[in-house]
Amino acid sequence: AQSVTQLDSHVSVSEGTPVLLRCNYSSSYSPSLFWYVQHPNKGLQLLLKYTSAATLVKGINGFEAEFKKSETSFHLTKPSAHMSDAAEYFCVVSAGNQGGKLIFGQGTELSVKP
Amino acid sequence: DGGITQSPKYLFRKEGQNVTLSCEQNLNHDAMYWYRQDPGQGLRLIYYSQIVNDFQKGDIAEGYSVSREKKESFPLTVTSAQKNPTAFYLCATHGAGTWNSNQPQHFGDGTRLSIL
Repeated sequence: AQSVTQLDSHVSVSEGTPVLLRCNYSSSYSPSLFWYVQHPNKGLQLLLKYTSAATLVKGINGFEAEFKKSETSFHLTKPSAHMSDAAEYFCVVSAGNQGGKLIFGQGTELSVKP
Repeated sequence: DGGITQSPKYLFRKEGQNVTLSCEQNLNHDAMYWYRQDPGQGLRLIYYSQIVNDFQKGDIAEGYSVSREKKESFPLTVTSAQKNPTAFYLCATHGAGTWNSNQPQHFGDGTRLSIL
């Protein structure tokens, strides 16, 4: 069975400092992994996806994530936080052979201080 | 996502009332999904449909019903049997093929439902 755990429910950084949002997954298949961002009262927007190609995945708005099979991790990073990055972030794993079904982490709220 | 329209943006339900949330897409995607989002609980799957005239229960289907009469539309009805309907409801689509898990879902902007 597939599952995903986001290790921090809330992360606070200062503007201009690095961002690290942690995600561990469990999958009995070769997983597809995604990071989504959600701003208040909005839907989810795809940041990036891993689908067994390069292990370092670059996404939009300067975010990237590294797939580490040995650690079953898919942490999201950004070198320098911007105020507009404040939002909720979801790590998501595909549900294997169930087509497009997804398994969502609980979310990490990112706060950015000026 | 401009290709998925959820309406209304805000909805209020009276005791014992059924309400219907609309989800329309122009992405020509086969699969559509309904999620419920509560604070601190991530997204939970209510129902999904991979093809017209067919749908399956998700993890929390009790108190909800759906229909899929057209490819473009997947309305969700919150029935009076759902005792705690206050939540943010998100509709999503997936268009890469029934068994292709490599492609992401696309989301609408949600409907916030509250009890009067």
